[in-house]
Amino acid sequence: EAGVAQSPRYKIIEKRQSVAFWCNPISGHATLYWYQQILGQGPKLLIQFQNNGVVDDSQLPKDRFSAERLKGVDSTLKIQPAKLEDSAVYLCASSPPVNSPNEKLFFGSGTQLSVL
Amino acid sequence: SQQGEEDPQALSIQEGENATMNCSYKTSINNLQWYRQNSGRGLVHLILIRSNEREKHSGRLRVTLDTSKKSSSLLITASRAADTASYFCATGVANSGGYQKVTFGTGTKLQVIP
Repeated sequence: EAGVAQSPRYKIIEKRQSVAFWCNPISGHATLYWYQQILGQGPKLLIQFQNNGVVDDSQLPKDRFSAERLKGVDSTLKIQPAKLEDSAVYLCASSPPVNSPNEKLFFGSGTQLSVL
Repeated sequence: SQQGEEDPQALSIQEGENATMNCSYKTSINNLQWYRQNSGRGLVHLILIRSNEREKHSGRLRVTLDTSKKSSSLLITASRAADTASYFCATGVANSGGYQKVTFGTGTKLQVIP
């Protein structure tokens, strides 16, 4: 079974530039999550999709961050313009439905973003 | 916002000893999950305990859950150097749509000294 794919692995940009991250979840997983993890902290949920609809984006800085999940499969997360404090690892995860035998989160390898 | 607070923040033990990490959370949950992370990259699921369960085992891992105290603990027995990593608890809250919101704690950094 293929895992969650993310790209790029690393990205270095200057502040005020824009950047986009891509995620391909495990086939059949309707739920997709984007987390931001700042060094030394736990992952913070930015946005959660159920199929192609947003079910939680309460912690997404909407003035600069946007995300979409077209056709309920792949997803992209964009930052425009980036700030220094956006330097973090961006993690994508997917999961099967609640109460299924394997209702855990499957994570990709993450994208490490450095904003200079 | 972080749902879970973990204690201790860092733990250093000798190989062969047991490691215990604690997690406290704030709201009602459907399940509590533990994840491991090496080198600050992708997290790996270790074990899930549902709100109607009190204890669960998986290999060298033992998890307990006390919903009345809103707390959980993860015990790793007979630790190995390869267990060195950060460990996170995460709370799962389900809704009627059949999906869950998973919120992570602050993490415990475990170092196992050979």
